[in-house]
Amino acid sequence: GAGVSQSPSNKVTEKGKDVELRCDPISGHTALYWYRQSLGQGLEFLIYFQGNSAPDKSGLPSDRFSAERTGGSVSTLTIQRTQQEDSAVYLCASSNRGQVNYGYTFGSGTRLTVV
Amino acid sequence: DQQVKQNSPSLSVQEGRISILNCDYTNSMFDYFLWYKKYPAEGPTFLISISSIKDKNEDGRFTVFLNKSAKHLSLHIVPSQPGDSAVYFCAAATNDYKLSFGAGTTVTVRA
Repeated sequence: GAGVSQSPSNKVTEKGKDVELRCDPISGHTALYWYRQSLGQGLEFLIYFQGNSAPDKSGLPSDRFSAERTGGSVSTLTIQRTQQEDSAVYLCASSNRGQVNYGYTFGSGTRLTVV
Repeated sequence: DQQVKQNSPSLSVQEGRISILNCDYTNSMFDYFLWYKKYPAEGPTFLISISSIKDKNEDGRFTVFLNKSAKHLSLHIVPSQPGDSAVYFCAAATNDYKLSFGAGTTVTVRA
């Protein structure tokens, strides 16, 4: 596609429920990243994919968080047993290889609210 | 641990004047520094970057300055335009993929 697409754009869920967030990167981009932005904070790194493998998962906050990428394309971020502190905007980005100095292309994000 | 800090949460500037955004960092191992711009309900958009081996990079109205000894960088926008009103994030990287972001500065350009 022309840009990075994320769905849903907004998600309200009850505490304790599981949620899945989806990211469609730019076609041909091999690198995919998940970040999140909590209220008043900067973007926080979660996980990096190169192809289907995740060489760096160090930013995932707890074992309730997991992510996968299939076919070198679509990625899903899953949060199990959601907590109120999980409320944030979850941003996905992609790039052609890991060339951070040229900047990533971000999607518009999924705003997650846990009530 | 916040490795990248933007100490000014907001900046108001008159159209046509210069906007100066500041950013401080603590990790001397950062190789690249970037600025992103974000409009409401949109993802951040890459604006300009600078390598740690340089002290200045210019792209049109945008110039980024890096002072490694002070661990400080700044973004200058000249002249400021109404479309520049947005949140600006400073970011830095020690490798080729992971960015550390500041909390952002909201710029408002007054007509």
